[in-house]
Amino acid sequence: KNEVEQSPQNLTAQEGEFITINCSYSVGISALHWLQQHPGGGIVSLFMLSSGKKKHGRLIATINIQEKHSSLHITASHPRDSAVYICAVDNLGGNQFYFGTGTSLTVIP
Amino acid sequence: GAGVSQSPSNKVTEKGKDVELRCDPISGHTALYWYRQSLGQGLEFLIYFQGNSAPDKSGLPSDRFSAERTGGSVSTLTIQRTQQEDSAVYLCASSLGAGAAWEQYFGPGTRLTVT
Repeated sequence: KNEVEQSPQNLTAQEGEFITINCSYSVGISALHWLQQHPGGGIVSLFMLSSGKKKHGRLIATINIQEKHSSLHITASHPRDSAVYICAVDNLGGNQFYFGTGTSLTVIP
Repeated sequence: GAGVSQSPSNKVTEKGKDVELRCDPISGHTALYWYRQSLGQGLEFLIYFQGNSAPDKSGLPSDRFSAERTGGSVSTLTIQRTQQEDSAVYLCASSLGAGAAWEQYFGPGTRLTVT
């Protein structure tokens, strides 16, 4: 059983569509991270959150601690949003850091 | 300012050889993390350092793996007697602190191929 589950695994959207990627986890956490990995491998941290909601440009991340669930939303999607989006949770006090398998997003013009 | 840098960017080694991978964190970042991304297997946490504290090594995949961080800055990940299953991209990240308040900045990774 994976500690972090993401869905969907693959997602294709038309430019302009509203996109949601979901993440569920089963362990106690200090924080949940959303990462973006473009082809070529570079990883960028998009959000780190331990409660509530964060917004950055067209990206919104929410977390429900009681339900152990987080969502990443992309509004007005654009082909440059095409990437793999990875959910990760950390409990560094317990030396634990778990990753989801990623969601591969392709936005078609 | 400069981001996290890693060297080498690519390393091809023969099975059984030792390799050293280097990470230079962002200046002033006290926390440093090592991860591994194997083909088709996603990211895996290996170890993290917070300041000069001794790290918890329990996340390392085997006793062939070791890591050190000198002077609270540069870190080296050493793999002894490499095996083919060690082939992966090894990623380093750093942050101002460790824990829920601090964003991690990732390096470009070292692609290790064990032949």
